[in-house]
Amino acid sequence: GAVVSQHPSRVICKSGTSVKIECRSLDFQATTMFWYRQFPKQSLMLMATSNEGSKATYEQGVEKDKFLINHASLTLSTLTVTSAHPEDSSFYICSATQGRAGRSDYEQYFGPGTRLTVT
Amino acid sequence: DAKTTQPPSMDCAEGRAANLPCNHSTISGNEYVYWYRQIHSQGPQYIIHGLKNNETNEMASLIITEDRKSSTLILPHATLRDTAVYYCIVRVGRNYGGATNKLIFGTGTLLAVQP
Repeated sequence: GAVVSQHPSRVICKSGTSVKIECRSLDFQATTMFWYRQFPKQSLMLMATSNEGSKATYEQGVEKDKFLINHASLTLSTLTVTSAHPEDSSFYICSATQGRAGRSDYEQYFGPGTRLTVT
Repeated sequence: DAKTTQPPSMDCAEGRAANLPCNHSTISGNEYVYWYRQIHSQGPQYIIHGLKNNETNEMASLIITEDRKSSTLILPHATLRDTAVYYCIVRVGRNYGGATNKLIFGTGTLLAVQP
């Protein structure tokens, strides 16, 4: 099956610094990638949708200047948390789909997640 | 907002069938029912999906009522490794572009398989 990886799996950073999380589709070309955030004992919350070669679409309430998303290639998307603060500590999960416009019955594959702790 | 309703938790004895219900009374004609699960501290895992016919794969079976307003995910022989949060999601199946690809997660059902 399709595999999505994330790097790093966990990261600890100091308040005020920026941290970059990578999401890669290993054996397929991902036209669309998604970024989710999950706080303890809560469900996944979609942050943004990213199509290769275009700007990301952010969900309501998500600060686009704080969570920078780049999807420069069909196998890589990055999420940069800028000027991180303790409240940004969370589990960040990406997913990817190879679906193209007009294609039916496509799947979304998830990465293993990145645990971010801001001290 | 999530379009599905699931019980917050269920228990199941190891080796028995686990039947997880989901209500989706406002489902549209072009929306599929998807099931994912999330084992603690891991990314979600796809299980199965269907439109109106019952579906079966190596992991589970999906039973969708005739009016499509509810469905049941069946794990035929639950094991301890099936302990996870199970999410039922409705979504358009055809890819019209980025916005319709979205998976909106509700609170899911925490299935605890007991030894």
